[in-house]
Amino acid sequence: GDSVVQTEGQVLPSEGDSLIVNCSYETTQYPSLFWYVQYPGEGPQLHLKAMKANDKGRNKGFEAMYRKETTSFHLEKDSVQESDSAVYFCALRPSSNTGKLIFGQGTTLQVKP
Amino acid sequence: GAGVSQSPSNKVTEKGKDVELRCDPISGHTALYWYRQSLGQGLEFLIYFQGNSAPDKSGLPSDRFSAERTGGSVSTLTIQRTQQEDSAVYLCASSERPGNLPNTGELFFGEGSRLTVL
Repeated sequence: GDSVVQTEGQVLPSEGDSLIVNCSYETTQYPSLFWYVQYPGEGPQLHLKAMKANDKGRNKGFEAMYRKETTSFHLEKDSVQESDSAVYFCALRPSSNTGKLIFGQGTTLQVKP
Repeated sequence: GAGVSQSPSNKVTEKGKDVELRCDPISGHTALYWYRQSLGQGLEFLIYFQGNSAPDKSGLPSDRFSAERTGGSVSTLTIQRTQQEDSAVYLCASSERPGNLPNTGELFFGEGSRLTVL
């Protein structure tokens, strides 16, 4: 079946550090890939997306490259800020015929001032 | 408001009781989803409604869980004979019809209903 794995449950960088949050996926289809962000007390919201292989999603200094050969969609940022602290979810949409998203377990980013 | 609305925001119930959670999607969105977020867990898919098609119920964890969507708009998630392991935040989301341009596949989530089963 379709699945998404995020290997880190929590990351604790200091402000100004670089960041990589890992995301790997498994599917037999040709998915679209997403990162959602969730702030305390709110529902998740779309952070960035990539609709096909080799697309790069970008938002607020974050980037993620859709790599079909390694089935990965890692979230990266050169210099994190305290305001980036939130829970980040990687997700895949298996095909364009469904709106259903399969989410990973989430990674809590807590940036130390 | 223009966003997805869920009620109640908090529900405390006793084990064995039935609960109903309501979701009012964004106007014009034909797709509606229910997810469950348990403490420290990811977003677990429960059920997906798309227009008049038969819903995708593949994520419902047991037959105690059911959902309906009336008139293609408001949805109710019902949990019968609640158990302590049902305690979680239940999130509803809506989206445009998949495949419609310029559909990006974006889901719009409500703030969730926090269920506590004592």
